[in-house]
Amino acid sequence: KAGVTQTPRYLIKTRGQQVTLSCSPISGHRSVSWYQQTPGQGLQFLFEYFSETQRNKGNFPGRFSGRQFSNSRSEMNVSTLELGDSALYLCASSPVLILKEKGPDTQYFGPGTRLTVL
Amino acid sequence: TQLLEQSPQFLSIQEGENLTVYCNSSSVFSSLQWYRQEPGEGPVLLVTVVTGGEVKKLKRLTFQFGDARKDSSLHITAAQPGDTGLYLCAGEPGSARQLTFGSGTQLTVLP
Repeated sequence: KAGVTQTPRYLIKTRGQQVTLSCSPISGHRSVSWYQQTPGQGLQFLFEYFSETQRNKGNFPGRFSGRQFSNSRSEMNVSTLELGDSALYLCASSPVLILKEKGPDTQYFGPGTRLTVL
Repeated sequence: TQLLEQSPQFLSIQEGENLTVYCNSSSVFSSLQWYRQEPGEGPVLLVTVVTGGEVKKLKRLTFQFGDARKDSSLHITAAQPGDTGLYLCAGEPGSARQLTFGSGTQLTVLP
């Protein structure tokens, strides 16, 4: 089974621009979560999408948004980029186990998109 | 806000030594996951622990979930240079798929 894929892997933008990152989950996984990783703050949760709906949201400004398509693929968008948005953006997918199945809803991460804002 | 404190932050040891990484919180988690991350890559799942007191072994790695499901530890026996990487613990607070990550432990195993 192919893993989580993210495109592009590297991106350089300037302040004020906007950017869209893409994530394709593992086949059969219905939930996609996004995380931001920086040296200072570590890994922080951005938001999670399931069935094309945002289910959970972290403590990030409204400039950060996302969406999920019917095939579970997801995109996140950052508008009006700031220098502090430079980070590794990670996407994780999970199967969303139905209630009768046992076990946690483990998240599997993609390789990330390295965004540099100049 | 649930926080996970991970220690130590940095660890540099010689090949063959043993080490333990700790992950502590004042909050209860429904499950706790350990990941290892290489530079420029995403975290790779090592193990998920769910039951309080649970112990899981993965070759030379032993993972333990505290009885109260508030803390966890990772013990590596006879560390090897290939174990070098950033080790992250992450807790799932409940039904939400929203992981809270520890700050990570950067492990360097010297040959």
